[in-house]
Amino acid sequence: KQEVTQIPAALSVPEGENLVLNCSFTDSAIYNLQWFRQDPGKGLTSLLLIQSSQREQTSGRLNASLDKSSGRSTLYIAASQPGDSATYLCAVFDRDDKIIFGKGTRLHILP
Amino acid sequence: EAQVTQNPRYLITVTGKKLTVTCSQNMNHEYMSWYRQDPGLGLRQIYYSMNVEVTDKGDVPEGYKVSRKEKRNFPLILESPSPNQTSLYFCASSLGAGGPFYEQYFGPGTRLTVT
Repeated sequence: KQEVTQIPAALSVPEGENLVLNCSFTDSAIYNLQWFRQDPGKGLTSLLLIQSSQREQTSGRLNASLDKSSGRSTLYIAASQPGDSATYLCAVFDRDDKIIFGKGTRLHILP
Repeated sequence: EAQVTQNPRYLITVTGKKLTVTCSQNMNHEYMSWYRQDPGLGLRQIYYSMNVEVTDKGDVPEGYKVSRKEKRNFPLILESPSPNQTSLYFCASSLGAGGPFYEQYFGPGTRLTVT
């Protein structure tokens, strides 16, 4: 059964720093991996989708990588800003046509 | 505007009173799914549907029913709600399944409280 883990569960960094969020999954038979952002009490905003054949995707200050063979993905945020404070979730679309989420990393950017 | 809509957004009900949460998408998506989000447990898939009249269980289907009679709609039915179904519910859709480029689009969420 696919399991998705995100470490750390919470992270605080000073504004302006670059940071990396981690996501690992146990079964490499996935179609894709998607990173989301969720603000408190709100819905999910899609950030990046990495297809199973891709190694990375970039959008603005965000860069997501995927190493399917090792079951790992990272989300790199450059030059962090207070507005980046949110919970970041990763989800895999696995070969059983199910979507499995990690529990998220709660990010706090200190002004 | 391409979107996934859910109704109601907030619902307080009592144990045992049947309820339906509606989900609709206007993107002609084939794949639709329901999730619940609970503190410490994250988002868990309840049911998913590959297309009209095709539904399957996710990780936490007990106590829930779904139907997919039309492509755009995927209602979540709680026939006899219990307090342990108090949660934040999300509906999502994607163009399809079984491929690497199918991105999930989420609705705004429905906060359900069962007393």
